[in-house]
Amino acid sequence: KQEVTQIPAALSVPEGENLVLNCSFTDSAIYNLQWFRQDPGKGLTSLLLIQSSQREQTSGRLNASLDKSSGRSTLYIAASQPGDSATYLCAVRDQTGANNLFFGTGTRLTVIP
Amino acid sequence: NAGVTQTPKFRILKIGQSMTLQCTQDMNHNYMYWYRQDPGMGLKLIYYSVGAGITDKGEVPNGYNVSRSTTEDFPLRLELAAPSQTSVYFCASSSGSWDGYTFGSGTRLTVV
Repeated sequence: KQEVTQIPAALSVPEGENLVLNCSFTDSAIYNLQWFRQDPGKGLTSLLLIQSSQREQTSGRLNASLDKSSGRSTLYIAASQPGDSATYLCAVRDQTGANNLFFGTGTRLTVIP
Repeated sequence: NAGVTQTPKFRILKIGQSMTLQCTQDMNHNYMYWYRQDPGMGLKLIYYSVGAGITDKGEVPNGYNVSRSTTEDFPLRLELAAPSQTSVYFCASSSGSWDGYTFGSGTRLTVV
């Protein structure tokens, strides 16, 4: 069964810093990997979707990389802002079984003004 | 374009009561899913559907039922609610294996 791990569980940085969130998964047979943002008490907002054939995707200050063979992805956030404070979830879409999405437990990010 | 709509947003149930969580999507997606999110535990798949008339169990199906009579709707039924079903429930949809998921805003359920 696919296992997704996110490190660190929580991260606090001063405003303006660049930061990296890590995600690892155990089975490299995936269709894609998706990064989500979740604000407290709210739903999941999709940030970036990387297909298994891609190495990275960018959206604004966000850049996500994927190394499928080693089972790793990183989410890079440039010039962090207090509005970036949220929980970031990594999820992989498995090619085995029912092709479902498996989630990590998230990294809770706090950007200090 | 509303995306995935879930109702209600909040609900308190007494032990043993039943309820249906509603989920509707207007994107003509074939795939639909129900997840529950418990604090510190990540999202767990309850049930999913790959098209109208087809449903299957996920990782944590006990105590729940679903139906998929139309492409748009995927309701989740809780029978005989238990405190262990206190959670936040998310519905999601996707158009295919290579596509991302779109999530609804969630239903926060408390069973007392």
